[in-house]
Amino acid sequence: DAKTTQPTSMDCAEGRAANLPCNHSTISGNEYVYWYRQIHSQGPQYIIHGLKNNETNEMASLIITEDRKSSTLILPHATLRDTAVYYCIVSRASGGSYIPTFGRGTSLIVHP
Amino acid sequence: ETGVTQTPRHLVMGMTNKKSLKCEQHLGHNAMYWYKQSAKKPLELMFVYSLEERVENNSVPSRFSPECPNSSHLFLHLHTLQPEDSALYLCASSQWGQAGDNEQYFGPGTRLTVT
Repeated sequence: DAKTTQPTSMDCAEGRAANLPCNHSTISGNEYVYWYRQIHSQGPQYIIHGLKNNETNEMASLIITEDRKSSTLILPHATLRDTAVYYCIVSRASGGSYIPTFGRGTSLIVHP
Repeated sequence: ETGVTQTPRHLVMGMTNKKSLKCEQHLGHNAMYWYKQSAKKPLELMFVYSLEERVENNSVPSRFSPECPNSSHLFLHLHTLQPEDSALYLCASSQWGQAGDNEQYFGPGTRLTVT
């Protein structure tokens, strides 16, 4: 099972880009990288996922290195409401599907 | 609106009580999950249901009993809980199958306190 490594915490100024790194050096060829976030005491929220190409949606961009061993989630203009724990996940195969295993994630604090 | 609802949002129960948590998803998914999140700990996967069949049970004590009557509803029946079972219980749903198409959508959680 591919595991991920993320910094414990980061901070970012409001209005600036937040770049959250993730290492997943044991990822296999058919495993996707998923990002979720959890605002305090709420359920996690899906953000974005990708296989090998860079992805962008209305929430964020995901940059995956060519060797797929690491990725970066980019929040282009962070706001105070983006303060949350961000989880980088490589889902593990189980019984015909893929199930995420949540680690401790990165606690992002966006300050004024 | 996440499409996944949970009731109740808060629950206080004694160790001898029996209660149930309810989860409903309106996203047309065919897999549902229960997670437990204790204070300052990562989410722990408890149960997984795919097409109303339990596909994973991660060494959860028998005082927690899941039920999935159809693909839209999931219950967690609780009895004779311990104070250490106090936590946030989260329900999620997703599609089951092909990689890259099974992002999870979570409910708001039930904050459970066992006294």
